[in-house]
Amino acid sequence: NAGVTQTPKFQVLKTGQSMTLQCAQDMNHEYMSWYRQDPGMGLRLIHYSVGAGITDQGEVPNGYNVSRSTTEDFPLRLLSAAPSQTSVYFCASSPGTAYSNQPQHFGDGTRLSIL
Amino acid sequence: SQKIEQNSEALNIQEGKTATLTCNYTNYSPAYLQWYRQDPGRGPVFLLLIRENEKEKRKERLKVTFDTTLKQSLFHITASQPADSATYLCARYQGGKLIFGQGTELSVKP
Repeated sequence: NAGVTQTPKFQVLKTGQSMTLQCAQDMNHEYMSWYRQDPGMGLRLIHYSVGAGITDQGEVPNGYNVSRSTTEDFPLRLLSAAPSQTSVYFCASSPGTAYSNQPQHFGDGTRLSIL
Repeated sequence: SQKIEQNSEALNIQEGKTATLTCNYTNYSPAYLQWYRQDPGRGPVFLLLIRENEKEKRKERLKVTFDTTLKQSLFHITASQPADSATYLCARYQGGKLIFGQGTELSVKP
């Protein structure tokens, strides 16, 4: 039972490059989300999805795109990387709707450095 | 906007003592609060959920309370052990989004 799988685990980019952080879950969860975690800032919600084909913005969406073509996958795209996007990125999923207060299952993160 | 705040200062306690961590929220009272544990280099792991009308919830050595008058939730670990050392996060849903506090780092010394 893999749970939530994030790839890659580490990545170094140059300013202006683009890349996609992958997130997959095998629990048939409807709700998926992306967070970034920075020292002293806690976890901040970037984007979330309540089901395939539906996405919405979180607290800090600028500079990031998402799509949800399947229930299992929720990739996060950085269109033009900036040093301010250096962070640890976590993907999470949960069953039920966004209003069901279900616990989130987290992946182990992608550590991203932008030079 | 709604805020959820935790004490950002690390908490250092001796093994065997009770650790108490605080989560404060502003404005309206959330119907639910969740608590997570995060170890270095890992994603958060869900521990407990408490509903507004529950006042107190227990799971083994963990206890969570919910005080809507003080707008506060307390997270207790009794008989703490060095293995309890981690960062603990509280969170609540707001408009379908799970919003986290910044977390409190707990260090339990032998």
